[in-house]
Amino acid sequence: DAGVIQSPRHEVTEMGQEVTLRCKPISGHNSLFWYRQTMMRGLELLIYFNNNVPIDDSGMPEDRFSAKMPNASFSTLKIQPSEPRDSAVYFCASCEVAGYEQYFGPGTRLTVT
Amino acid sequence: SQQGEEDPQALSIQEGENATMNCSYKTSINNLQWYRQNSGRGLVHLILIRSNEREKHSGRLRVTLDTSKKSSSLLITASRAADTASYFCATTYNNNDMRFGAGTRLTVKP
Repeated sequence: DAGVIQSPRHEVTEMGQEVTLRCKPISGHNSLFWYRQTMMRGLELLIYFNNNVPIDDSGMPEDRFSAKMPNASFSTLKIQPSEPRDSAVYFCASCEVAGYEQYFGPGTRLTVT
Repeated sequence: SQQGEEDPQALSIQEGENATMNCSYKTSINNLQWYRQNSGRGLVHLILIRSNEREKHSGRLRVTLDTSKKSSSLLITASRAADTASYFCATTYNNNDMRFGAGTRLTVKP
């Protein structure tokens, strides 16, 4: 398996624009996680899905953030409208069983100017 | 906060020395995991220790868990420059909720 795939790897956008980050989990993994990492706040869990159903979105910072998982092999994290403080590295991770080993993607480095 | 807390925040050692990092948490856990992150990369799972285990080994890694003190330690023996990275503990609770700590930044000088 190719591992968790994220796209794009880098995104530079202007404030106010919509940003969509994409993730393909490892085949057969039932749980998917979106994280945000910054120097100031460290690694934050934004939302996670079990069997395509959102379980905990308490980490989603604002209504500007939304995440979907339309099927077992694809998830998106959307920010609309984007702000400079959203600049961070966004990671997607998946695991076979919730609470056990997570496999992380390479991340998307987002810069909002 | 439910997440674990690593200690120290940063550690600098010479190649060949041992590195010890600690993680403390506040409520009962199902398991505790250690991850490594190289600069600019995603986290990589190193080792998982269950709540009923006290020690696990994997190569040069040794993890201990003391549930009475709600703490774990990660020991890297005979460190190498390539071990330079950030190390995170992740605690999993009985509802399978898993949280990462802030990490320890390890620098191994050649």
